[in-house]
Amino acid sequence: TQLLEQSPQFLSIQEGENLTVYCNSSSVFSSLQWYRQEPGEGPVLLVTVVTGGEVKKLKRLTFQFGDARKDSSLHITAAQPGDTGLYLCAGENVLDKIIFGKGTRLHILP
Amino acid sequence: GAVVSQHPSWVICKSGTSVKIECRSLDFQATTMFWYRQFPKQSLMLMATSNEGSKATYEQGVEKDKFLINHASLTLSTLTVTSAHPEDSSFYICSAGRPFRGEQYFGPGTRLTVT
Repeated sequence: TQLLEQSPQFLSIQEGENLTVYCNSSSVFSSLQWYRQEPGEGPVLLVTVVTGGEVKKLKRLTFQFGDARKDSSLHITAAQPGDTGLYLCAGENVLDKIIFGKGTRLHILP
Repeated sequence: GAVVSQHPSWVICKSGTSVKIECRSLDFQATTMFWYRQFPKQSLMLMATSNEGSKATYEQGVEKDKFLINHASLTLSTLTVTSAHPEDSSFYICSAGRPFRGEQYFGPGTRLTVT
């Protein structure tokens, strides 16, 4: 069974600090997505990375796909309280199945 | 991004009754939709893949006779939880899109509480 391990599971930091969330697997994924989910709502897609080594930026968020397409990271610069939420990575494997990580719950303190 | 809606957003039912949840793609046609279940503070678990005009594909451990899926049109998939029990209480989320292109859009979710 393919697994996506996310770390850390929970992170609480002060506003203005930087942070990185990791998503790791021993398997290759054809694409990987990052989502953010608010309580009681469905996940909202932030980005999709497809090419090994790919880096995408979304304002203060930087997403990177590992060269071997087995891992990814999300880096947030100068975190703000509005960044608080559950961040999920999801990988699409070669069988077109979407597998979710367990999520990283991020809390930014004002 | 594309819009996916779910109805109802929240439902409370008694044990033993059945509940139907609708998932609609509002601005695109979806030949494939996905149903997920999410327990509190946990991630999304794929339950089944809903295929328009054919039978759904269920993940291992998901009872197909308990979670009936119908995908009768390109914009609507329904999930019916039959003979619901308290342990079926969960947040059910559908998605639609083209996952092999990394395009998957989620509905807002339906919170089911079985008393």
